[in-house]
Amino acid sequence: RKEVEQDPGPFNVPEGATVAFNCTYSNSASQSFFWYRQDCRKEPKLLMSVYSSGNEDGRFTAQLNRASQYISLLIRDSKLSDSATYLCVVNRGRDDKIIFGKGTRLHILP
Amino acid sequence: SQTIHQWPATLVQPVGSPLSLECTVEGTSNPNLYWYRQAAGRGLQLLFYSVGIGQISSEVPQNLSASRPQDRQFILSSKKLLLSDSGFYLCAWRRSGGVYNSPLHFGNGTRLTVT
Repeated sequence: RKEVEQDPGPFNVPEGATVAFNCTYSNSASQSFFWYRQDCRKEPKLLMSVYSSGNEDGRFTAQLNRASQYISLLIRDSKLSDSATYLCVVNRGRDDKIIFGKGTRLHILP
Repeated sequence: SQTIHQWPATLVQPVGSPLSLECTVEGTSNPNLYWYRQAAGRGLQLLFYSVGIGQISSEVPQNLSASRPQDRQFILSSKKLLLSDSGFYLCAWRRSGGVYNSPLHFGNGTRLTVT
């Protein structure tokens, strides 16, 4: 089983729609969870951290399910500028190794 | 505030030539440092990480090596490049000391083409 798995997409979604991404991780001892956004040919940038109680930042909501080893990202009222690759990021166990999923490509259609 | 510098931005090197990529962090001390590689159309692969001067952990056996000669300096090297070394190399830092929710912060990356 891969350490971090994501649906590669692409997701083609009309502007204004809601889109959800899922991610599973294999190491039950993982402590830190993040969503990053990567634009074409650019470095990844932090979108949000994911907390056990779930957290929201504007149109973005992240959820963590430790029992199922699963995290999610919900984007509401999607905008053209949301088009990017979304990366699920997990620390591997109780060390400082940070592992990225392969990313899910999102295209917002006008 | 903290900043991370990575250079060069682009590099074209022939097969068999050496490589040295440098990354420095400012505004923090004793950061955890990371090197990732992203091949074209692929995900980020962790190459090396370091929790302190001279402490390097290697994730993937290959012809690359890393060194941390100073607290905020991380260097990626190769003695002889292969075609398969082409990719987007990213340096990142993170707060150390068990701050579990501290995120990674990336440099702008180096796009390496081996010809």
